[in-house]
Amino acid sequence: DTAVSQTPKYLVTQMGNDKSIKCEQNLGHDTMYWYKQDSKKFLKIMFSYNNKELIINETVPNRFSPKSPDKAHLNLHINSLELGDSAVYFCASSQGVSGGLSTDTQYFGPGTRLTVL
Amino acid sequence: QKEVEQDPGPLSVPEGAIVSLNCTYSNSAFQYFMWYRQYSRKGPELLMYTYSSGNKEDGRFTAQVDKSSKYISLFIRDSQPSDSATYLCAMLLYGGATNKLIFGTGTLLAVQP
Repeated sequence: DTAVSQTPKYLVTQMGNDKSIKCEQNLGHDTMYWYKQDSKKFLKIMFSYNNKELIINETVPNRFSPKSPDKAHLNLHINSLELGDSAVYFCASSQGVSGGLSTDTQYFGPGTRLTVL
Repeated sequence: QKEVEQDPGPLSVPEGAIVSLNCTYSNSAFQYFMWYRQYSRKGPELLMYTYSSGNKEDGRFTAQVDKSSKYISLFIRDSQPSDSATYLCAMLLYGGATNKLIFGTGTLLAVQP
């Protein structure tokens, strides 16, 4: 059973188009994340949601809009795609913490490789 | 200056070698120190985590943290071709509901049979 799944795995599109990436986790976690990994493998957080509520928004252009219909799903919609959006986008989930310090281990999906032409 | 700096590599070693992977960080507020392994075209997976300064061992892997020097290392003993992957250090900035993982840029390791 796949714990964190993403669709599609590959996405090739033209500049200016709008596209969506979907993520689902079956771990029962409360928190989900979107990360962007550039061509140099640098992995940077974009958003996190806790129980469908936006918690972290890391100065991402507003062309990127995450949506969490329920705590098991977190989708990413991108408007007016640009060449610089080409990257691998990873979804992740974690239990989240409610008081107390813990590792809050994040589990990553397989990634969506987005290529903007 | 990035909050987390990682030796960029790439590293190529013969099978059986000892590998040392290193990161430095600047933010004293980091609480947990983690190593993720990422195989080609896969998502990162947590390998080890440590909280306090010192060593933590798990099989062939040893994670070392020196908080006074803001330096962490991952040692791999008796390296195997199956260890070939990108290794990412990550630091957890604890903020309750706003926990945030800050990653290093990754070190690509190739273990030659």
